[in-house]
Amino acid sequence: GENVEQHPSTLSVQEGDSAVIKCTYSDSASNYFPWYKQELGKRPQLIIDIRSNVGEKKDQRIAVTLNKTAKHFSLHITETQPEDSAVYFCAAHIPNDMRFGAGTRLTVKP
Amino acid sequence: DTGVSQDPRHKITKRGQNVTFRCDPISEHNRLYWYRQTLGQGPEFLTYFQNEAQLEKSRLLSDRFSAERPKGSFSTLEIQRTEQGDSAMYLCASSLVEGPGGELFFGEGSRLTVL
Repeated sequence: GENVEQHPSTLSVQEGDSAVIKCTYSDSASNYFPWYKQELGKRPQLIIDIRSNVGEKKDQRIAVTLNKTAKHFSLHITETQPEDSAVYFCAAHIPNDMRFGAGTRLTVKP
Repeated sequence: DTGVSQDPRHKITKRGQNVTFRCDPISEHNRLYWYRQTLGQGPEFLTYFQNEAQLEKSRLLSDRFSAERPKGSFSTLEIQRTEQGDSAMYLCASSLVEGPGGELFFGEGSRLTVL
């Protein structure tokens, strides 16, 4: 089955700095790569996703890049704000499965 | 609220007892997933349904766990003879299949504590 690894496990940045979270996956059949944000005590919510036929996608301060050859994808958050503090999960999807990374706890210090 | 709902939100039980969780997905969603999440970890896949058919079940899932989705709408996850290691948050998610992949909409989860 698919194996997703996520780094770093914790990340602390100053407000206004950028944050980058990286994930690798093992199954070359994976074709959809979402990122979820989970605030303390709340459900995971989708923030951005990318499909395997696209190399990069942006949505305001958030961007995701995908390198299919290397089987890795990254989340980039620019101009971080305290409300960006949460746990972020990457995931990789093959037709019958969705596997998540272990998560990155992002702390944005004011 | 038309989101995914789960019941109960919290369950405390003694080791050896059986527990059952219910998930009501978004009404038009045909895919339903169960995940388990422990503190500091990502959601761990347990099983998923497309309509009423259970299409995949994690190899990590012991025989004490069973899930059903009898009419392709709500689903139940039953854990028999609970063990302390079963303590976790059990998350349900649903999606509407539209080609490869699809956004998962998660419920608030059912937190299980086994004493």
